[in-house]
Amino acid sequence: QQQVKQSPQSLIVQKGGISIINCAYENTAFDYFPWYQQFPGKGPALLIAIRPDVSEKKEGRFTISFNKSAKQFSLHIMDSQPGDSATYFCAATLGSSNTGKLIFGQGTTLQVKP
Amino acid sequence: ETGVTQSPTHLIKTRGQQVTLRCSSQSGHNTVSWYQQALGQGPQFIFQYYREEENGRGNFPPRFSGLQFPNYSSELNVNALELDDSALYLCASSGTSGRATGELFFGEGSRLTVL
Repeated sequence: QQQVKQSPQSLIVQKGGISIINCAYENTAFDYFPWYQQFPGKGPALLIAIRPDVSEKKEGRFTISFNKSAKQFSLHIMDSQPGDSATYFCAATLGSSNTGKLIFGQGTTLQVKP
Repeated sequence: ETGVTQSPTHLIKTRGQQVTLRCSSQSGHNTVSWYQQALGQGPQFIFQYYREEENGRGNFPPRFSGLQFPNYSSELNVNALELDDSALYLCASSGTSGRATGELFFGEGSRLTVL
């Protein structure tokens, strides 16, 4: 299976709260899991990424948690800010030599209320 | 450093027509990937070009074709346009370092409307 399933479809969080977006995959051969952030009218931009040999990666307010046995990974945005309001996509790919061939989730539209 | 640029930004075509979309990759990048993003959906991989050769293709029919030029810029051609081809077409580039880190650099896309 080549799908990546993402939830929720939309999310509203108060400023300062924690935003959590979840993704699940089927293909155990996937070995690179990036998250992309997309603002209206812009292309997606890499936010943070993880490989399956680690269970967590943190960059500033953004953390990926990875559960290899459950084939799930999630993005946590701590202290969410109105500037974080955007659409977030999880993705997966096969092999570091194929990083141009990402399989994206359906996206989560995040709104952070002031 | 110049980022990924795409043209045109918006265009309207009618069913059955043909369209060519263009992409200039980021300086130093030799790999270009094309994605189709329908409204409210995640991008879907169309194909990738590396050193002027197609290097992988997604689940798109042959009427979707591409080219990469010696300067690593690229074109996406779609023949016999259908209504469902209406979407944002994204170009992404990556270089040798991109392949190692996995980062794709996306352009802002070309919005195609088929009437």
